[in-house]
This record gives sequence, C-alpha cells and structure tokens, in this order.
Amino acid sequence: SQTIHQWPATLVQPVGSPLSLECTVEGTSNPNLYWYRQAAGRGLQLLFYSVGIGQISSEVPQNLSASRPQDRQFILSSKKLLLSDSGFYLCAWSVVGSGYGYTFGSGTRLTVV
Amino acid sequence: QKEVEQNSGPLSVPEGAIASLNCTYSDRGSQSFFWYRQYSGKSPELIMSIYSNGDKEDGRFTAQLNKASQYVSLLIRDSQPSDSATYLCAVNPLTGGGNKLTFGTGTQLKVEL
Repeated sequence: SQTIHQWPATLVQPVGSPLSLECTVEGTSNPNLYWYRQAAGRGLQLLFYSVGIGQISSEVPQNLSASRPQDRQFILSSKKLLLSDSGFYLCAWSVVGSGYGYTFGSGTRLTVV
Repeated sequence: QKEVEQNSGPLSVPEGAIASLNCTYSDRGSQSFFWYRQYSGKSPELIMSIYSNGDKEDGRFTAQLNKASQYVSLLIRDSQPSDSATYLCAVNPLTGGGNKLTFGTGTQLKVEL
C-alpha cells in the first residue's frame, strides 16, 4: 500500500531563518506531488505541484521554493522566513493523470516568530 | 467569485440526524469532485469522490452531483459525534491542466449529543 511521510510535525522558527520541509511517498512510482498551505481559519492554498523529477510548477509567487530531487521526494524550502509564512503545510500525492483525489501527509505546523 | 464555495458553518445537528453539506463551483467544465474530512489539527482525509451526475453511496455517506446547477453535496446519515469535523469540498477544474484540485474553505459540522 502507498504511504506518505511528512516531517517535522511542528516547527517554530525565527523570522529570517531558512526552512526545509520534506515529504516522501512509498509504494508507488512517478506520483504527482503537491505542497499546500492552510492558514488559520482559511482554505487550502496550492503552493507547488510536480509531475516528475525536477519538474516544479509554482502557483503563487512568494517566499518559498520547491524541489523534487528524487521520484518520491518533495522538498519545500525558504531562504528567509517571514511572519506571513506561518501556517499548516501539507504535502499530498496523487496518481498521474487527471481526476484523482489526493492523499495528504500528516502536515507540518510552522510558526514563525 | 470564489471557484469553490461552501458555507463555513458551524452546522449543528443532533446525533442520529442527517447532516447535509453543500458546495457550489464556478468552472462548468469540472469533471471530478471530492469530499474531504478534516479533524481539528489534522490533515484532510478523502472520504468520497464523484464523477457523474446523481448519487453515490458509501456506508453512511452519500455524495450528490448536479453538473447543470454546478453543485455537489454530501449527506451523512445517522450522524455521530465522531463526525464532528470540517468538511472540505474539492473540484478538479477544466482549466489549468494537470490534476490540480481547488478546495473550498470548508464547512464545520458539529454533531451534538
């Protein structure tokens, strides 16, 4: 069966510090991978998605970047965090193609102080 | 106009009653529709998917789709306190390409004893 791992679960970082969140998927090959952010009391905002190694599409210009160095690994990064980067970050995967639901990881709650 | 709209609630129903959650979407060409359940502090969990007009039943859950009216609904029969959560509607719009879901902001459901 397929599983998705996301870490860390919680993170408190000072403004201006770097960020690296990692997500890995097991039990499938060439998945679509996604990073979403959910701000307090708000909906899910798609940040990045990837259909293959090295293929990253950015949905919202901001202080974040994403990379996919391996087929089942997706990394979200920032060089300098802002207060507005606080939120619940969710990695998800889906089968390649259209019309499939996502499976989410357990999420990382990031607080920038 | 928001792409996917949901009443934020909270929707309060007594235990054993039917809970009815609604969602409207703007992209008339959308083909895939999903309902996610999100407990407080947790990541969303896929509970239903529907692709064709009509009803789809899975246990106590029934998803209803009306493409002509551009709405999707979720019925929960015999509601239990454990159903108390936020329910997110997600749509795969025709525009944009790929398997990118657009989420509503969710409806909070409270099932009262």
